[in-house]
Amino acid sequence: NAGVMQNPRHLVRRRGQEARLRCSPMKGHSHVYWYRQLPEEGLKFMVYLQKENIIDESGMPKERFSAEFPKEGPSILRIQQVVRGDSAAYFCASSPPSKGRDYEQYFGPGTRLTVT
Amino acid sequence: GDSVTQMEGPVTLSEEAFLTINCTYTATGYPSLFWYVQYPGEGLQLLLKATKADDKGSNKGFEATYRKETTSFHLEKGSVQVSDSAVYFCALSRNTGNQFYFGTGTSLTVIP
Repeated sequence: NAGVMQNPRHLVRRRGQEARLRCSPMKGHSHVYWYRQLPEEGLKFMVYLQKENIIDESGMPKERFSAEFPKEGPSILRIQQVVRGDSAAYFCASSPPSKGRDYEQYFGPGTRLTVT
Repeated sequence: GDSVTQMEGPVTLSEEAFLTINCTYTATGYPSLFWYVQYPGEGLQLLLKATKADDKGSNKGFEATYRKETTSFHLEKGSVQVSDSAVYFCALSRNTGNQFYFGTGTSLTVIP
């Protein structure tokens, strides 16, 4: 069973360009989460999605950032007009539909975004 | 709000030394607690977890006990190896919640 897949692993963008980060959850998982890890910091929650729905976007910056999880295909985190402060590692996690005491999230290897 | 406070690093130990990384939490209700490990250039891997008070999670020689009275989940290992060098993150989730709350991470370097 393949784990959570993210691509690209490394992405370099100039200021003002758009960055698109992709995440394919584990097989059977319908919940996707995006986290950002700034240098020397822990992971910070950004957004939680289910198929075709944004459930919780309380951690998303109000401008330039958007996320989707279409019925078919991977989840996409889109950053428009990137700035140097967007340079970070972006991690995707997935979980199965059920919640409860055995709930856990499975993390992908991350996309390291560098804005030059 | 929910949060995790983790011992700051970096921590440097000699091989076979005893390891403790402190973690305390603030949360409403009864969260589940986790330790994740991140090796250089990789994503996070679940190391161990505990879902209720007094539970002990263990894996690969690492242990942590869920202490509700002290709101703590300290990570311990009796004898570290060079291969344990990594960043360790303490995290919590409320069982009905959507997100994990992570500590800032503790970098561990084990020298031969």
